[in-house]
Amino acid sequence: GQQVMQIPQYQHVQEGEDFTTYCNSSTTLSNIQWYKQRPGGHPVFLIQLVKSGEVKKQKRLTFQFGEAKKNSSLHITATQTTDVGTYFCAATSGTYKYIFGTGTRLKVLA
Amino acid sequence: DARVTQTPRHKVTEMGQEVTMRCQPILGHNTVFWYRQTMMQGLELLAYFRNRAPLDDSGMPKDRFSAEMPDATLATLKIQPSEPRDSAVYFCASGFGGSSYNEQFFGPGTRLTVL
Repeated sequence: GQQVMQIPQYQHVQEGEDFTTYCNSSTTLSNIQWYKQRPGGHPVFLIQLVKSGEVKKQKRLTFQFGEAKKNSSLHITATQTTDVGTYFCAATSGTYKYIFGTGTRLKVLA
Repeated sequence: DARVTQTPRHKVTEMGQEVTMRCQPILGHNTVFWYRQTMMQGLELLAYFRNRAPLDDSGMPKDRFSAEMPDATLATLKIQPSEPRDSAVYFCASGFGGSSYNEQFFGPGTRLTVL
């Protein structure tokens, strides 16, 4: 079955440093979503990527979908303490069934 | 603003007891998902519905779990009998499937502890 792996599992950065998490699928994806979950909270939708090679930006966050539509990345420039949380990718091969990645837990040290 | 609501927020029960979790999706959304989150397994999709019909429940242990949508404003997830390994946070999410944009709106979750 479809598997979605995320790396790294954990990342500690100093405030102001950049952060990147990667999502890799064993199969070609229809689209991919990114969510953020604050400690003790619930996942909150960030963005959806659909097209091969697509790049989208939200302020300090840059999302990219691979050319082969099998991988994606989320990059945060100049992290802030408000970026703390776990970032998940969620991928589908064409149905409404999204498989969530294992998540990357980000800790930002002030 | 519109939100997914879940009840109860916390549930502590003893092994063997029945547990029912409820979810009210956002009005107008036609797709409802049930997820389970644990440290070990992460976020697992248990079941999802579209227009109240179950589309996929392959992630759900069939012998003890059941999911239903009695009407468009209520989704339920039932565990009978509950076991300690069922301890987790259960999230309900809703969305509007059928378009190219499938954002999922998550509820606050039900934290279940089975002793």
